[in-house]
Amino acid sequence: SQKIEQNSEALNIQEGKTATLTCNYTNYSPAYLQWYRQDPGRGPVFLLLIRENEKEKRKERLKVTFDTTLKQSLFHITASQPADSATYLCAPYTDKLIFGTGTRLQVFP
Amino acid sequence: GAGVSQSPSNKVTEKGKDVELRCDPISGHTALYWYRQSLGQGLEFLIYFQGNSAPDKSGLPSDRFSAERTGGSVSTLTIQRTQQEDSAVYLCASSTERGEKLFFGSGTQLSVL
Repeated sequence: SQKIEQNSEALNIQEGKTATLTCNYTNYSPAYLQWYRQDPGRGPVFLLLIRENEKEKRKERLKVTFDTTLKQSLFHITASQPADSATYLCAPYTDKLIFGTGTRLQVFP
Repeated sequence: GAGVSQSPSNKVTEKGKDVELRCDPISGHTALYWYRQSLGQGLEFLIYFQGNSAPDKSGLPSDRFSAERTGGSVSTLTIQRTQQEDSAVYLCASSTERGEKLFFGSGTQLSVL
């Protein structure tokens, strides 16, 4: 069955450092993959979309890579700030959009 | 409105009662999705509507769950004979393109006592 794996343990990093979150998927080949941010008590907010023919996508301090051979996407936040603290969800797409369980990022001053 | 609106924001019901959850998508968005999120868990896909096509109901957990979308806009998720395991946040999202860049509402917190 299709499976999406994100590190369930929280990632704690110091302000100013680069945060790297991992998303691995198995048993399917998504045409594209998205990353969302979710704050407590709120719905997810779209951040970036990367297609299977793209290796890397950037938006301000965010960078996403998509390796279809490894079946993995990496999500980077450079120069992290406490305001970046949230849960980040990856969502590979085939015929429907399925979300991973997310990784909680905590950026401390 | 400017975003996806869901109502009610909170719903407390007794086991066995029926509930209706409403979603107003962003105007012009042809795709509409319902997800469920239990405490500390990921998003569970429930149902997807795209324009006038037949909905993808493959995520509905049982026949107690149903959803409709009237006039290609407002959607209602109905849960009949609610059970305690139905307690969760029900999230609605809409988009212009199938599966791309979803805009989510703030959800309805359903508590079944």
